[in-house]
Amino acid sequence: DTEVTQTPKHLVMGMTNKKSLKCEQHMGHRAMYWYKQKAKKPPELMFVYSYEKLSINESVPSRFSPECPNSSLLNLHLHALQPEDSALYLCASSRGTTVTEAFFGQGTRLTVV
Amino acid sequence: AQKVTQAQTEISVVEKEDVTLDCVYETRDTTYYLFWYKQPPSGELVFLIRRNSFDEQNEISGRYSWNFQKSTSSFNFTITASQVVDSAVYFCALSENRGSTLGRLYFGRGTQLTVWP
Repeated sequence: DTEVTQTPKHLVMGMTNKKSLKCEQHMGHRAMYWYKQKAKKPPELMFVYSYEKLSINESVPSRFSPECPNSSLLNLHLHALQPEDSALYLCASSRGTTVTEAFFGQGTRLTVV
Repeated sequence: AQKVTQAQTEISVVEKEDVTLDCVYETRDTTYYLFWYKQPPSGELVFLIRRNSFDEQNEISGRYSWNFQKSTSSFNFTITASQVVDSAVYFCALSENRGSTLGRLYFGRGTQLTVWP
């Protein structure tokens, strides 16, 4: 089972809303990632969690707040987003942060209005 | 400086043609890893292959083959007898084995492959 599950698949939110993206994997992976992807661009790394601790934050604005409640779950809390934050948000996991083929979920297509 | 260069932005072929997607990388590390991912319109990035820097053996998996050449810093991907279902964006990526960047994938800009029936 190489599945990473993301919910919701689509999300439309206003600039004053608070919402959360969820990601789940049951492969026993100890590293989890959030990526942001704009149309016709490669994914851009946002956060890396290793053994449930934040190891990389790519200078992401504080309106994006990651959370890793346990080794299987990864959340991304969204608050006061801007229209330019509209994008595909991809979650990924890997066995560890070394040597790592990462397995990606299908993403959440976020539209901020 | 861009670590992974995919010079081909878009490629169109007709079904059953062979097609090669180019990838050139740049790194100062002696240990590194190269990847290819496929992204169909559904959005999910599908892992295709990982190649370690110390293993230059080429690999074939069905209609897919990969040519890794350290001398030219290239990791090219060939699809033989292409099919419509191969239509997708293909990303080449690099991961370096240093503490400050562990877990980071450097993606190329991707190549949009369209296979026409």
